[in-house]
Amino acid sequence: AQTVTQSQPEMSVQEAETVTLSCTYDTSESDYYLFWYKQPPSRQMILVIRQEAYKQQNATENRFSVNFQKAAKSFSLKISDSQLGDAAMYFCAYRSTTSGSRLTFGEGTQLTVNP
Amino acid sequence: KAGVTQTPRYLIKTRGQQVTLSCSPISGHRSVSWYQQTPGQGLQFLFEYFSETQRNKGNFPGRFSGRQFSNSRSEMNVSTLELGDSALYLCASRVAGGYEQYFGPGTRLTVT
Repeated sequence: AQTVTQSQPEMSVQEAETVTLSCTYDTSESDYYLFWYKQPPSRQMILVIRQEAYKQQNATENRFSVNFQKAAKSFSLKISDSQLGDAAMYFCAYRSTTSGSRLTFGEGTQLTVNP
Repeated sequence: KAGVTQTPRYLIKTRGQQVTLSCSPISGHRSVSWYQQTPGQGLQFLFEYFSETQRNKGNFPGRFSGRQFSNSRSEMNVSTLELGDSALYLCASRVAGGYEQYFGPGTRLTVT
């Protein structure tokens, strides 16, 4: 079974600065998808960014980018120019290509953005 | 396009009762998945329905069941409620072959 680990329960960053959230996963599969979701206090889960394992190029979405290290099974999220609205719980998630929509989530990292 | 909707948003039930939660996916999305979120266990997959068939099931007791209708709307039922069933229940939908799941706002269930 796949597992996802986020070793940082809490992180904080100053507004306009950069922060990196860590995620490691364990799988025996070679093809899969990885995601970062954001959950603000409203509890609505919002997709931030996704990465297909077969792609070597790291995904980027505006101020959000990932560092995908397949051999190390690492998938970190970098938030540049942090904004107050980035404050939320961030979840790393894994989806196999053979298990439909089933997502395996990490424990989450609570990000605080200080003005 | 309207997002995923879940009803009701909040629910209070008594131990031993049963409850039904509803999820309407984004139009055109045929896959609906359910997740339970608790402070202790985090986010856990309950089950997935696709074209009215359960395609995948998580490690939950048989008290948790679901179904999907021909219009892709899904319901989740929990029978004989226990205090530990208190949680945020999230539903997500995905278009067939799509990478991404879109989540609803959740139903907060409190069991007393």
